[in-house]
Amino acid sequence: GAVVSQHPSWVICKSGTSVKIECRSLDFQATTMFWYRQFPKQSLMLMATSNEGSKATYEQGVEKDKFLINHASLTLSTLTVTSAHPEDSSFYICSAKDRPSGANVLTFGAGSRLTVL
Amino acid sequence: DAKTTQPPSMDCAEGRAANLPCNHSTISGNEYVYWYRQIHSQGPQYIIHGLKNNETNEMASLIITEDRKSSTLILPHATLRDTAVYYCIVRPRDNYGQNFVFGPGTRLSVLP
Repeated sequence: GAVVSQHPSWVICKSGTSVKIECRSLDFQATTMFWYRQFPKQSLMLMATSNEGSKATYEQGVEKDKFLINHASLTLSTLTVTSAHPEDSSFYICSAKDRPSGANVLTFGAGSRLTVL
Repeated sequence: DAKTTQPPSMDCAEGRAANLPCNHSTISGNEYVYWYRQIHSQGPQYIIHGLKNNETNEMASLIITEDRKSSTLILPHATLRDTAVYYCIVRPRDNYGQNFVFGPGTRLSVLP
């Protein structure tokens, strides 16, 4: 079945630095990928929709200049958390749709846990 | 906002069937019911989805009421590894513009 890979699975960084998280669709092409954020004991919240070859669409309240999304190919989307602060510490999860065949379900990556010191 | 209502938590004895309910009384005719689960510190895992007919796969069965206002996910023989948060989501199957909205889900604890 469809597989989505995220890297790194966990990262610790100092406050003020930038962190890049990669999301790859391993056996299918994904023109659209989604980035979610999950705080402890909470559900997943959609941050943005990443579109191959065009600008990402951000959900209300998500700063596009802080969370830079690049979807340069049909199999790779990246999320860069710029000037990270402790409040950005969270579990970041990407997902992609397997298309055109398949069940049109979202396949999720294993997540990337960011800790900002 | 999520269009579904689920109990916040449930317990199930290992080896027994786990029946997880979901209420989606405002579901539209073109909306499917999807079930995902999230094991601690992992990404969500797809389980099953359906429109109006009952569905079964290697993981679970999905029973949808005739009026489609509710459904039940059945894990026939729960194991300790089935302990997870289970999410019921409704959305149109082919509408790429409408995203998956996750509610709080049901935290299933499978007990030895």
